[in-house]
Formats: sequence, C-alpha cells, structure tokens
Amino acid sequence: AAGVIQSPRHLIKEKRETATLKCYPIPRHDTVYWYQQGPGQDPQFLISFYEKMQSDKGSIPDRFSAQQFSDYHSELNMSSLELGDSALYFCASSFEENTGELFFGEGSRLTVL
Amino acid sequence: RKEVEQDPGPFNVPEGATVAFNCTYSNSASQSFFWYRQDCRKEPKLLMSVYSSGNEDGRFTAQLNRASQYISLLIRDSKLSDSATYLCVVRGRDRGSTLGRLYFGRGTQLTVWP
Repeated sequence: AAGVIQSPRHLIKEKRETATLKCYPIPRHDTVYWYQQGPGQDPQFLISFYEKMQSDKGSIPDRFSAQQFSDYHSELNMSSLELGDSALYFCASSFEENTGELFFGEGSRLTVL
Repeated sequence: RKEVEQDPGPFNVPEGATVAFNCTYSNSASQSFFWYRQDCRKEPKLLMSVYSSGNEDGRFTAQLNRASQYISLLIRDSKLSDSATYLCVVRGRDRGSTLGRLYFGRGTQLTVWP
C-alpha cells in the first residue's frame, strides 16, 4: 500500500539559507500534519491542513511557512535557517472520517551547519 | 506543563518480562488516545488505540482512566523486537482549530535483552 512520501530524506544547509521539504500524503487522505523532532525530543506539532486549508497551527516559527496544494501534497518552507532548526521533520496524513490515526512519512533530516 | 507526561524510562528488561508504561494528560477534553512506537531514527507508527473499556492486542494491553486522565500500556512476554521508544499520544481539540492535533509524550525507551 502507498505510504506518505517525503523528500528529500536528507538535507544539509548553512545558516541563513532556505530549505523546502515536500510531502505527498496517502491517496484520499484529507489531512496533512507537519511535526519537528529534535534529537532526543518528542515530535512537536508545527502545522496542519485539512482539504488544502490551514486547520491548526502549533509552534511553527515565523520564518517557516507551509501550504497544501490542489493535488494534496504539502510543502514546508524554512527561511533564515538557524542551527536550532536541525531536526527530523515528519509529515503525516490521515483520513479524518476514520479513527484519525496518523500515518507518518519516513521524515526529512535537516542539518544546518 | 506539557500536555502529555510519560514515565521517563529507560526500561531495561529481560526477554519474557512484563513491563508497564504510564502516561498522564492534562486536557480533560481530550478525545482520542494512542500508543505509538518509534524505532531509532524512524517514523512513529501506531501501536494501538486506547479505548475507555481497555483493549488488548496479543501481548499488548492498553487502559484508559478518564477520571484520572491516565493511560497505560502493558507488554507481556517481552521480545527482543519490542525494543523501541513508546510514545503516549493524545488527540485534543484546541480553541480555533478545526481538527484536534496530536500531542506526543516524550517517550519511554524500552530495551529488551536476551
């Protein structure tokens, strides 16, 4: 069965650069979530989209923005990168009419040097 | 205060042991409860949902106590393959949001040794 696809899997950037992460949810899933997980930390909710509209916003820095496109894929844009942005970024999708279980992608590991 | 608090761990147990993890949540309006499993450097995966009546899936038993805002996971007859981090997850509903977000606990690390 198709899973959540994230790209790139690994990304190395320097401070003050910009990065874009992409997420392709499971087909027919209507909700996409972005989480950030620092080393040894629990996943922190950043933002979510339901039917291409932002549905909830968490601890997402103003330097970050995200959107969901007409084909339901989502992109997380990060600008003015800081060392502290180094983390594993997970995208997850769900179909809200079901149990609401989230299916996670394998994550994109961002390293800021 | 974090939305979800978990036993800090780590737990190191021999094969065949029974181990229990506990978790508390702060928002009494929370709607759904889950245990996720996360292997090192991998994505979280759903282990099981937690229902008010308690539920069992093979060697795993989950319990929910809404009055005490407490969730537990019991693993019987531990296997080497159970070694992972177990995340207590609560789905809340925040003012202004359309759908409830998931709140993750810090996770409890389990190592099962032969």
